[in-house]
Amino acid sequence: AAGVIQSPRHLIKEKRETATLKCYPIPRHDTVYWYQQGPGQDPQFLISFYEKMQSDKGSIPDRFSAQQFSDYHSELNMSSLELGDSALYFCASSPASGGGYGYTFGSGTRLTVV
Amino acid sequence: SQQGEEDPQALSIQEGENATMNCSYKTSINNLQWYRQNSGRGLVHLILIRSNEREKHSGRLRVTLDTSKKSSSLLITASRAADTASYFCATGSSGSARQLTFGSGTQLTVLP
Repeated sequence: AAGVIQSPRHLIKEKRETATLKCYPIPRHDTVYWYQQGPGQDPQFLISFYEKMQSDKGSIPDRFSAQQFSDYHSELNMSSLELGDSALYFCASSPASGGGYGYTFGSGTRLTVV
Repeated sequence: SQQGEEDPQALSIQEGENATMNCSYKTSINNLQWYRQNSGRGLVHLILIRSNEREKHSGRLRVTLDTSKKSSSLLITASRAADTASYFCATGSSGSARQLTFGSGTQLTVLP
């Protein structure tokens, strides 16, 4: 079965650079969520999209932005990277009904800022 | 964690023993989910229990939910070395927001 695909798997950037992470949800899942997980931390919700519109916003820094495209894939854009942005970034998708289903997570993108 | 705490933070048991992990949360929920994460890997959905359910089983997993105490437990029976991972509970809000809020996780080590 198709899963949530994230790219790239690993990314190394220097401070103040920009990074773009991509997420391809499961077909027919039209809700996408982004989470950030720092070393030894629990996943923190960043932002979500439903039907290409932002639906919820969590602890996402102003330096980050995201969008969902017409094919439902989503991109997380991160600018002016800081060392503290080093983390695993997960994308998850769910059917529109959301609450009654478990979310399917991708394998994550490991971002290292040096 | 912004939502709740998991207890214990770390658990080490012998293969064949049962493992019990607890989770507490703070707000009203629509459902509570348990996820597993191998080191540095993605989160894998294990089981979902709705707010009107008290107990649910899936294979070797048993989940209970006590909404009056705002707590849940995950029991893994007859543990295996392959069960070694971090286990997170996550709550789905009963409000308009549908994002999951994760607890701080329990690191389970099953010794062969």
